[in-house]
Amino acid sequence: ELKVEQNPLFLSMQEGKNYTIYCNYSTTSDRLYWYRQDPGKSLESLFVLLSNGAVKQEGRLMASLDTKARLSTLHITAAVHDLSATYFCAVGTYKYIFGTGTRLKVLA
Amino acid sequence: DTGVSQDPRHKITKRGQNVTFRCDPISEHNRLYWYRQTLGQGPEFLTYFQNEAQLEKSRLLSDRFSAERPKGSFSTLEIQRTEQGDSAMYLCASSLGTGVTDTQYFGPGTRLTVL
Repeated sequence: ELKVEQNPLFLSMQEGKNYTIYCNYSTTSDRLYWYRQDPGKSLESLFVLLSNGAVKQEGRLMASLDTKARLSTLHITAAVHDLSATYFCAVGTYKYIFGTGTRLKVLA
Repeated sequence: DTGVSQDPRHKITKRGQNVTFRCDPISEHNRLYWYRQTLGQGPEFLTYFQNEAQLEKSRLLSDRFSAERPKGSFSTLEIQRTEQGDSAMYLCASSLGTGVTDTQYFGPGTRLTVL
């Protein structure tokens, strides 16, 4: 059974700092997704990673994929308060298996 | 707004009552998915449709749950004889069903509270 684990589960960081969220998955998958969820809101698609070594960047967020290690990272550069949210990774094709999420709080 | 829409956004019901939720996907999307999300957890897959055909159901979808997509457009999710454990956010998503990425786009969700 495919399992997806994220760490850390909670992250409190100062504005301007850098940090990385990790997503490990237990079996091979040809697609990995990152989503953002604000409190009480639905999920917003951030990135889709398809191949080993794939890197995608949008603003202060950069996602990468290492299929051999079954690991994806979401790197936050110079965090700002607006990035405060819960971030989920998910793997799968039609049936997404989500991680437990990383709740990020950026402190001014 | 051309995104995924869900109705109602909130539903409070008493244990034992039946509830029905509706999802309208993005118009050109062939695939439609239902997920359930409880507090502090990631969404869990319930079922999905390719056009009007329901192709997979999770073990989480007990006999009290039924989903339909009669004309391959909107979908309904019905829960019969609701239980307190059914309280959750029910998310609908849709995707094109083609292409390499086939990203799922999520609706705002229906929050169900069973008293």
